[in-house]
Amino acid sequence: GDSVTQMEGPVTLSEEAFLTINCTYTATGYPSLFWYVQYPGEGLQLLLKATKADDKGSNKGFEATYRKETTSFHLEKGSVQVSDSAVYFCALRTHGSSNTGKLIFGQGTTLQVKP
Amino acid sequence: DTGVSQDPRHKITKRGQNVTFRCDPISEHNRLYWYRQTLGQGPEFLTYFQNEAQLEKSRLLSDRFSAERPKGSFSTLEIQRTEQGDSAMYLCASSLATPGEQYFGPGTRLTVT
Repeated sequence: GDSVTQMEGPVTLSEEAFLTINCTYTATGYPSLFWYVQYPGEGLQLLLKATKADDKGSNKGFEATYRKETTSFHLEKGSVQVSDSAVYFCALRTHGSSNTGKLIFGQGTTLQVKP
Repeated sequence: DTGVSQDPRHKITKRGQNVTFRCDPISEHNRLYWYRQTLGQGPEFLTYFQNEAQLEKSRLLSDRFSAERPKGSFSTLEIQRTEQGDSAMYLCASSLATPGEQYFGPGTRLTVT
């Protein structure tokens, strides 16, 4: 079945360090891909998305490129801030005949940024 | 637009009791989703409504679980005869059919003792 695999955390970085959180997926067809972020005590928020191969999603300095050949959607940021500390979830949405739009999530990666 | 709201935010119950959660989606959204998130895991899909019709249920949704969305507005998720394994965060999300971005509520954290 369809699935998403993320690198295990926690990831601990110093402020202004470069961030990469790996995400790979297994899906039939051509899914849409998403990164969601969950700040402490808050609900999931959409961070960025890409709907087709080679698309780059970007938001708040974060980027991810839809790589069909490697079935990956790695999240990157050039310079993290303490306020980026959160749990990050990679997710996919398939476009099957049922078209429910349900999301399939990875297990989440906790990012801790230290000043 | 106040976003997706869920009530209660926290619920502690004893094993064997019934519980009911409510979700109020964004008003113009016709799609509504329930997910369950256990500690250290990502959310898992439970069920989906388009307007008032429940169109898909996950195999995770045992017969102790029931969800409704009367009149296509708010939704309720009921768990009967709760078990300790039901302890989790229950998330609700809503979307328009197109473009389909899902907006999540803050969740209801259920603890079964």
